[in-house]
Amino acid sequence: NAGVMQNPRHLVRRRGQEARLRCSPMKGHSHVYWYRQLPEEGLKFMVYLQKENIIDESGMPKERFSAEFPKEGPSILRIQQVVRGDSAAYFCALRLANYNEQFFGPGTRLTVL
Amino acid sequence: AQKVTQAQTEISVVEKEDVTLDCVYETRDTTYYLFWYKQPPSGELVFLIRRNSFDEQNEISGRYSWNFQKSTSSFNFTITASQVVDSAVYFCALYNNAGNMLTFGGGTRLMVKP
Repeated sequence: NAGVMQNPRHLVRRRGQEARLRCSPMKGHSHVYWYRQLPEEGLKFMVYLQKENIIDESGMPKERFSAEFPKEGPSILRIQQVVRGDSAAYFCALRLANYNEQFFGPGTRLTVL
Repeated sequence: AQKVTQAQTEISVVEKEDVTLDCVYETRDTTYYLFWYKQPPSGELVFLIRRNSFDEQNEISGRYSWNFQKSTSSFNFTITASQVVDSAVYFCALYNNAGNMLTFGGGTRLMVKP
């Protein structure tokens, strides 16, 4: 997984609760992407962050979803008041500076009951 | 807007057969990058290959080979002498610098039977 850790690997929430997904790229990497994979579908881009800045959030739903990548600590994808349709695998990826490959973490599988 | 189409949703072959996974893309950009990723049953995404739009040289790596044809906007992936461990979902993806993101196809599920 090229030095990208995600936790938790599995997360179960009831409708209306909050979900916090963490992505910890290897130290020194500052470009982080979040993607969502709905069951039996391909990955869809959500948001691209560099340290402390959101560069592109065009794929993020306008309500209930937010993302951050603080100067210290992991990137967090936060989903408020989860609904069943939020059940998916959420992947974080890092991009090496000057390269275009994105290397993915193992993903967090969110299940909303 | 960018688009990646993997018309084959599911392919089933018997071990040792060759199999080609198709990928067709759309983009208005002249500089872009194409990727293949593998997602085995365990769920992680494994990077396989990157191709630049200005490099149409095809590549062979062991049992894997890739055929990039800009004229038909295709980037096909062939596995020679398939093995059961090749069973996975394979995703083709497109990246351009302006887009800040990878655009994925819907994936092709490959099942290799013993």
